Amino acid sequence: DARVTQTPRHKVTEMGQEVTMRCQPILGHNTVFWYRQTMMQGLELLAYFRNRAPLDDSGMPKDRFSAEMPDATLATLKIQPSEPRDSAVYFCASGLLGRARTGELFFGEGSRLTVL
Amino acid sequence: GENVEQHPSTLSVQEGDSAVIKCTYSDSASNYFPWYKQELGKGPQLIIDIRSNVGEKKDQRIAVTLNKTAKHFSLHITETQPEDSAVYFCAASAYYGGSQGNLIFGKGTKLSVKP
Repeated sequence: DARVTQTPRHKVTEMGQEVTMRCQPILGHNTVFWYRQTMMQGLELLAYFRNRAPLDDSGMPKDRFSAEMPDATLATLKIQPSEPRDSAVYFCASGLLGRARTGELFFGEGSRLTVL
Repeated sequence: GENVEQHPSTLSVQEGDSAVIKCTYSDSASNYFPWYKQELGKGPQLIIDIRSNVGEKKDQRIAVTLNKTAKHFSLHITETQPEDSAVYFCAASAYYGGSQGNLIFGKGTKLSVKP
């Protein structure tokens, strides 16, 4: 049963600490997204990759957030330093998409981050 | 850019009744409209989608309608069951110059089905 796997599921940290969230997309999917979900803003796109190349990270605060895809089986989202306003649920999603083609996104179960 | 508005933010119905969730979009170039269901503690999951060349699509108890002129689309759930209780998100994606844009999500509707 193919699924997107995210770790950690829960993370509590103190302000100023570095946080790294990891995602294993579904094998064969060529596009990977990072979303942030909060009550106020809903689902916000932070960054996405196609064939491991970063295509858009305009939704991400550049000074503290970074997203990478070191190989086809791993995507990472790093926050350094973390701040209380970063508290949210972070979702990774993957899909088999094209430049001119859209389709289903498969979401992981999310990483719930609390920054004290 | 695209803006998607979703209403209502919360909806409570009795088991067996119908539920309707409505979304409007701003970009006339939008051509793909999926609906995702998010259960507690889980990630969103696609339940149905519609493309702009179709006005209505059904899948068992769920249906989606699209009015391109008015730029709105709706999700209809008939004969609701307690397991339909979840947060539902609409989304839209626009097509420009040979490139399909990313999904823009609505803020979500929390549906509660009371037994």
